[in-house]
Amino acid sequence: GENVEQHPSTLSVQEGDSAVIKCTYSDSASNYFPWYKQELGKRPQLIIDIRSNVGEKKDQRIAVTLNKTAKHFSLHITETQPEDSAVYFCAAAISGNTPLVFGKGTRLSVIA
Amino acid sequence: KAGVTQTPRYLIKTRGQQVTLSCSPISGHRSVSWYQQTPGQGLQFLFEYFSETQRNKGNFPGRFSGRQFSNSRSEMNVSTLELGDSALYLCASSQGQGAYNEQFFGPGTRLTVL
Repeated sequence: GENVEQHPSTLSVQEGDSAVIKCTYSDSASNYFPWYKQELGKRPQLIIDIRSNVGEKKDQRIAVTLNKTAKHFSLHITETQPEDSAVYFCAAAISGNTPLVFGKGTRLSVIA
Repeated sequence: KAGVTQTPRYLIKTRGQQVTLSCSPISGHRSVSWYQQTPGQGLQFLFEYFSETQRNKGNFPGRFSGRQFSNSRSEMNVSTLELGDSALYLCASSQGQGAYNEQFFGPGTRLTVL
């Protein structure tokens, strides 16, 4: 089955700097890649997703890039702010009928 | 619309006991998925129910089971509890079945097994 690895497990950045979180997946058939953000003590929420027919997607300060050849996708956060501090989970799915497989998460700390 | 709700929010049990967790999805959502969240393993998929049928199952022992009712509410049961079952159990609802649908998570039930 699909396996998703996420790096780094923890990341600290200065406010205003950029943050990048990378995930690799094992099954080349995977075609859907969402990212969820979980603030401390709160529930995970979808922040952005990308399909395999798209190489990059942006939404204000966040963007996701996909490299199908290398089987990896990354979350980019620019101009980080303290409210970006959270655990970020990447996930992958092979099809609409299969469940999401999540990475183990990255704890991002934005230092003011 | 009201969000996903889970009851109870906290549970303390001892080894060997069983436990039932409940999840009420967002109104109109027909799919409910369950996840186990632990610090070292992240979010691990347990199972998904859609229209009262289990559609997908994760790699968990048979002690973990679930069901879905006609109103889309779902329950998860864990029998013969082990210390390693201590975790935050999250349910998530979505309008349709499967991964392409945005998952809306509940607040979770924190289970502690002593």
